[in-house]
Formats: sequence, structure tokens, C-alpha cells
Amino acid sequence: AQKITQTQPGMFVQEKEAVTLDCTYDTSDPSYGLFWYKQPSSGEMIFLIYQGSYDQQNATEGRYSLNFQKARKSANLVISASQLGDSAMYFCAMRELDSGSARQLTFGSGTQLTVLP
Amino acid sequence: NAGVTQTPKFQVLKTGQSMTLQCAQDMNHEYMSWYRQDPGMGLRLIHYSVGAGITDQGEVPNGYNVSRSTTEDFPLRLLSAAPSQTSVYFCASSYSNRAGMNIQYFGAGTRLSVL
Repeated sequence: AQKITQTQPGMFVQEKEAVTLDCTYDTSDPSYGLFWYKQPSSGEMIFLIYQGSYDQQNATEGRYSLNFQKARKSANLVISASQLGDSAMYFCAMRELDSGSARQLTFGSGTQLTVLP
Repeated sequence: NAGVTQTPKFQVLKTGQSMTLQCAQDMNHEYMSWYRQDPGMGLRLIHYSVGAGITDQGEVPNGYNVSRSTTEDFPLRLLSAAPSQTSVYFCASSYSNRAGMNIQYFGAGTRLSVL
């Protein structure tokens, strides 16, 4: 079964508007971390934001925020005031802290975001 | 300010050839990993290391070897290249802070084509 599911292969948003990229996850570990990475067309992977399973508040980093709904096992990325430079592939990833996976990341298949001028 | 350095950036191989993808980090991170990225898919873990002298297999280890003789270096060896190994390869390093947060920092990637 997929551990990380990103159901939106592609998304479009108008410049200066907000956009939500969906991510659902599956784990039986009580301790885990959720990550979002950005991959622009140049190819590098850029860390954006982190949410721990025990964090009481939703994570925020500048224009990025994470809408964490633990009971629904979702960790959606919200980008406010979209900019043209936000056009990129976005990956959701999870690290299970208590499992035998030695705490490596499992990635979703990604969402290609295009910001329109 | 190097971070994670991967070489080469591009490589073309013939089927059956062997080669080593180099990865070095200067952040004194304990964890290092190799991933491959194929079209329409996220990154998949090939091999990882939790410290010098310790390596283990990830999700897709077949056809690859690794070693970790120093904290800084984590080379990935393709033993006998196959077209199915055409992919983009990423090396990453990370450490765990006191909160258990483990952010992986990625290299720029190596684009490998096997003909």
C-alpha cells in the first residue's frame, strides 16, 4: 500500500493567489515526521517545511504552511500569495521514527504546480 | 558552503559497464542515503548509512553497492549497468536534532543514461 499519496499530478494557480497541495499518508507508527520538498526545473530538492506527529500546532515557514489533520492522516501544503518562482514539482515525504526503516524518507509521486501570470 | 556534492552531473553508460557515483558532504552528518527518481514517481531509497562503516539496503537495492569508509563520503557503485538503471540519482545527508527532526539535504543529482 502507498504510504504517501499525492492525488494531484498537476495544479494551476494564478499569481498572488493561495494554493493547497494535498498529501495523505499511511502509518501505524505513533511517531513520525512529515516533510515537503520543492523540486524546480533545475532538478535540486529543496526542503520547505516539517511537521512532527506530536506537534500541537500547524507548521509555518514564511509563505508555506502545513494543514495537519492527524485523524484524517493528511498533511496538505498551503502556499500563500503564489509567485512565478513557485512553479515546480512538490513532494510530500514521511519519516517513521519507530519502525525498522531506519528513519529514511518515503516520498509521494509529486504534484507539478504551475503559477500563471 | 558546499553541503552535499555529487559527481558527475551527467553520465552515459553502455549496458554492462560499471561506474561509481560520488557523494560527499561537509556538514558532519551521520546519515547518508542514495535515492533514484524515475518519471512520474517520487524518490525511492536505494541504500543508506547511519554512520561510517554501517550500510543497509533500501527499497530498490538490486544492482547497486555502497560503502561508507568515512563520515564524509558515500559512493554508489553500479556493478553492471542495465537500461532499467537509467534515472536521476540523488544523494542526501541528514542528522537528528534533539526534537527527533531529521531533515535530509540533497545533492544536485546525477542524470544517468544506460544505452
